[in-house]
Amino acid sequence: SAVISQKPSRDICQRGTSLTIQCQVDSQVTMMFWYRQQPGQSLTLIATANQGSEATYESGFVIDKFPISRPNLTFSTLTVSNMSPEDSSIYLCSVETAEQFFGPGTRLTVL
Amino acid sequence: GDSVTQMEGPVTLSEEAFLTINCTYTATGYPSLFWYVQYPGEGLQLLLKATKADDKGSNKGFEATYRKETTSFHLEKGSVQVSDSAVYFCALGGTSYGKLTFGQGTILTVHP
Repeated sequence: SAVISQKPSRDICQRGTSLTIQCQVDSQVTMMFWYRQQPGQSLTLIATANQGSEATYESGFVIDKFPISRPNLTFSTLTVSNMSPEDSSIYLCSVETAEQFFGPGTRLTVL
Repeated sequence: GDSVTQMEGPVTLSEEAFLTINCTYTATGYPSLFWYVQYPGEGLQLLLKATKADDKGSNKGFEATYRKETTSFHLEKGSVQVSDSAVYFCALGGTSYGKLTFGQGTILTVHP
């Protein structure tokens, strides 16, 4: 199993600013994943992050808007840049070991 | 591309009622299928999974059978409890490493 923590758990931000979300795992994992859950909607994969290489982004998501760092095998960050109200969502970090585990999420509200 | 369609919600049931939440999928290859649950105020948890056709996943009284012929993975429980109130997500994975494709989620509310 894997225990995942995220910081912050929630935040309220002004439009035009940026927020960096941290994800920490209690074991070393090759891949980490970032998902978005917009209000009342399902989860959508933003990108896959491997340690030591550029993240791979899904269609509709770009590095300039969602830069990701993966400095080691237990940690990753996702930055939501130049935020607008449409970025208000829950952002979840996930890892896959024997199954896919999810962090508790970061609830972001952009005013 | 891959997609998952869940029955429209929300679903409201009385305690001890029978539950079915329908899930159908479209995928290339041979995906694994999952049900995830999100209890109020908590994170997403794996409820059950099936990795190949005709497999039955089960956990906490919930069951789902991987039906390749009908591309379905319906979630069932014979007698729901108030504590089962949550959002349930059907998902598929395995066609691309680590990537899960989720359905839209079904809100279940169980009344005493």
